[in-house]
Amino acid sequence: KQEVTQIPAALSVPEGENLVLNCSFTDSAIYNLQWFRQDPGKGLTSLLLIQSSQREQTSGRLNASLDKSSGRSTLYIAASQPGDSATYLCAAKAAGNKLTFGGGTRVLVKP
Amino acid sequence: NAGVTQTPKFQVLKTGQSMTLQCAQDMNHEYMSWYRQDPGMGLRLIHYSVGAGITDQGEVPNGYNVSRSTTEDFPLRLLSAAPSQTSVYFCASSYGGENQPQHFGDGTRLSIL
Repeated sequence: KQEVTQIPAALSVPEGENLVLNCSFTDSAIYNLQWFRQDPGKGLTSLLLIQSSQREQTSGRLNASLDKSSGRSTLYIAASQPGDSATYLCAAKAAGNKLTFGGGTRVLVKP
Repeated sequence: NAGVTQTPKFQVLKTGQSMTLQCAQDMNHEYMSWYRQDPGMGLRLIHYSVGAGITDQGEVPNGYNVSRSTTEDFPLRLLSAAPSQTSVYFCASSYGGENQPQHFGDGTRLSIL
C-alpha cells in the first residue's frame, strides 16, 4: 500500500526566503507525482505534475523534482511572498486514477 | 467555464439520515473521483469512475454509494449517515490517461450529529 509523507507539517518563513517542501512515498511504481495548493476553506489547485519519466518540472517561481529510486519529491518556491501562504499537498498517482495524498505542509510567509 | 461544481457547500444531518452530494463538471472529463479530507488523515479516496457506467471503490468506500450515468455527473450517496462521516468531501475530475492533472471542486462540509 502506497504511503505518502510530508515533513514538516508546518513551516514559517520571512518574505523573500526560498521555500523547500518535502514529499516522500513508499512505492516507486507511480505514474506521476502531483503538487497541489489548498487555501483555507477551498478546494485543491494543481500546481505541478511530474511524470514518472521526468526529473523535474518548472512553472514560474515553482520547481518540483522527482527521484523515484529514493521515493522523494521536492517543491521549491523561490523568493516567497505572503500570497504563497497556504497548505501544499503532494500526491502519488497509481493506475486507475488513484491518488494517494500526503498530509500536507502548512506554509506561512511573514511580511 | 464552471469547472467542477459541488452542491451543497454545507450540510448538517442527523444520524441515520440519507443524502446525496452532487458533483458536476463541464470539461468533458472521463475520470471523476470522490475524496474525504479529515484532520490528521489527509485526503482519502472514497470511490472513482473512469467513464460513464463504470465505478470502483477507493480506500474508504464503506457507507457510500456512487453511480455514473452521464459523463458530467458523479453523485455520492450516504445511505445512513454516521458521526464518523463528518468530513469535508471533495470531488475531482480529469481527462483520461495517466498524466492528466486533476481539477477539484470547492468541497462540501458535512456534519453528522
